[in-house]
Amino acid sequence: AQSVSQHNHHVILSEAASLELGCNYSYGGTVNLFWYVQYPGQHLQLLLKYFSGDPLVKGIKGFEAEFIKSKFSFNLRKPSVQWSDTAEYFCAVSRWMDSSYKLIFGSGTRLLVRP
Amino acid sequence: DTAVSQTPKYLVTQMGNDKSIKCEQNLGHDTMYWYKQDSKKFLKIMFSYNNKELIINETVPNRFSPKSPDKAHLNLHINSLELGDSAVYFCASSPRDRDYEQYFGPGTRLTVT
Repeated sequence: AQSVSQHNHHVILSEAASLELGCNYSYGGTVNLFWYVQYPGQHLQLLLKYFSGDPLVKGIKGFEAEFIKSKFSFNLRKPSVQWSDTAEYFCAVSRWMDSSYKLIFGSGTRLLVRP
Repeated sequence: DTAVSQTPKYLVTQMGNDKSIKCEQNLGHDTMYWYKQDSKKFLKIMFSYNNKELIINETVPNRFSPKSPDKAHLNLHINSLELGDSAVYFCASSPRDRDYEQYFGPGTRLTVT
């Protein structure tokens, strides 16, 4: 079935460690890719997005993601995490389906950063 | 200056009751959505409205009925609540011709007992 997969459900890091969260999708054709973040008790916020062009996109708070078309991947990275990065991270794919765009989410990765 | 707001934030009710969740956006967006996030944090779209017209209607029990009085509001009414309806419901909106760029509300945690 077509899907968005986030293989790491829980990640625990110490401050200053580097972060990479995996995201793979199984849709062919043109896709738009997103990472959303949900801080504890808060709503989903857009972290970064890829539509076209440079496959390395930079988002807010020092996050970046790389689109690798051949691997159907859009992994999220941050060189040095902070305690305030503790949150749930969702990868999403937007596709034109049934006469509208649909945003399909992965199951999320819960990141805990220890001070 | 809240962009997408939902009320209530928490809703605890008994099986069989009817309840509504309200959503409002002040971004001037044309399209609004309802998503359900289950206990495993999986987010799935339920409905979308474009300028008060239903666009997406996923496989959702007909106990769920969205209502859009104007393009800034999309309310979700749920009849005969069941235990399995317990979840967090998120409202979202997107600008015209950029349906792929969605802005989410804070969510409503519904607990059915």
